Amino acid sequence: GENVEQHPSTLSVQEGDSAVIKCTYSDSASNYFPWYKQELGKRPQLIIDIRSNVGEKKDQRIAVTLNKTAKHFSLHITETQPEDSAVYFCAASITWEGQNFVFGPGTRLSVLP
Amino acid sequence: NAGVTQTPKFQVLKTGQSMTLQCAQDMNHNSMYWYRQDPGMGLRLIYYSASEGTTDKGEVPNGYNVSRLNKREFSLRLESAAPSQTSVYFCATSSENTGELFFGEGSRLTVL
Repeated sequence: GENVEQHPSTLSVQEGDSAVIKCTYSDSASNYFPWYKQELGKRPQLIIDIRSNVGEKKDQRIAVTLNKTAKHFSLHITETQPEDSAVYFCAASITWEGQNFVFGPGTRLSVLP
Repeated sequence: NAGVTQTPKFQVLKTGQSMTLQCAQDMNHNSMYWYRQDPGMGLRLIYYSASEGTTDKGEVPNGYNVSRLNKREFSLRLESAAPSQTSVYFCATSSENTGELFFGEGSRLTVL
């Protein structure tokens, strides 16, 4: 079955700097890759996703890149702000049906003022 | 619209006790899910229901049962709680159009 690894497990950056979180997956059939953000004590929420027919997707300060050959995808956050502090989860799936999602273990991002 | 609501938010049980976590959604989605979240392990699927009247096991179903009462409601039952079931539980639904998961606020369960 699918296995998703995520690195680093914790990440501290200065406000205004960029942050990069990387995930690798094992199943070459996976073609949907969402990222969820979970603020402390809150529910996870989707922030961006990418499907395997594109290599990059941007939404304001957030971008995701996908390398299907190497089986990895990354979340890029530019000009980080304190409100970006949260745990970020990546996931990989062969479809966008939730029962197929395999989540990574999460990355705790701290943006220091 | 409340989205996805789950109760209770907090619960403390003794080993061997039973309890049911309730979940309801007003998003008119067919699919509903129960996840557990443990430190360093991400979100792991316990059970899911792709439509009213159907339920299926996820990655970690042992020790749990579920009921899809109707399209809105999906409950998770622990028949005989164990300390290993101490966790935060999230109910979720998904959009058939986009695949986005919508989570409830979570239920923190402690089994002593």
